[in-house]
Amino acid sequence: DIQMTQSPSSLSASVGDRVTITCQASQDISNYLNWYQQKPGKAPKLLIYDASNLETGVPSRFSGSGSGTDFTFTISSLQPEDIATYYCQQYDNLLVTFGPGTKVDIK
Amino acid sequence: QVQLVQSGAEVKKPGASVKVSCKASGYTFTSYGISWVRQAPGQGLEWMGWISAYNGNTNYAQKLQGRVTMTTDTSTSTAYMELRSLRSDDTAVYYCARVRGWHFDYWGQGTLVTVSS
Repeated sequence: DIQMTQSPSSLSASVGDRVTITCQASQDISNYLNWYQQKPGKAPKLLIYDASNLETGVPSRFSGSGSGTDFTFTISSLQPEDIATYYCQQYDNLLVTFGPGTKVDIK
Repeated sequence: QVQLVQSGAEVKKPGASVKVSCKASGYTFTSYGISWVRQAPGQGLEWMGWISAYNGNTNYAQKLQGRVTMTTDTSTSTAYMELRSLRSDDTAVYYCARVRGWHFDYWGQGTLVTVSS
């Protein structure tokens, strides 16, 4: 099975800061990489699909890039409502794996 | 609008089974798959498996093979996830999610399953 690592596991940043999270796959997954936001007590929400496509209705400050094994998720200007845990998720050969998550809070 | 509404919280004893439902509305049920994802308290997301609402094909996470069964009822646009031989480490919030491509674009509200003697 493909393993996913995410870094950092947590971060604190100021409002307006640029925030970057990385996700690495244990083998080539092309662009089959998605990003989700989960707030406490809520279901996850899809933000980015197929590595770099912004889901409809998601603010443009969120973006994603990468292919193969290395992927990046960016919040261009952190807002108070972005406090959440972010997960990457890969798909390969009918199997799905989530990364361990990155908890983002305000400094 | 697309909605996935799950059944209510359950408390089960070790060794028992649980069956969680997920009723879909606002889209053509058979045009998308449904995946199930669980989250133990304070932990990350764990994918459990997938079912095609079109033909009932399934694919389960290896860890749960033999204990989990996913089904659908197209007449009521409802997906089901049954987990057997429950253990304490199956205590989690269980989510259903609509599968578009291989991303999960709509999620149910979650169902807490507590396994305790």
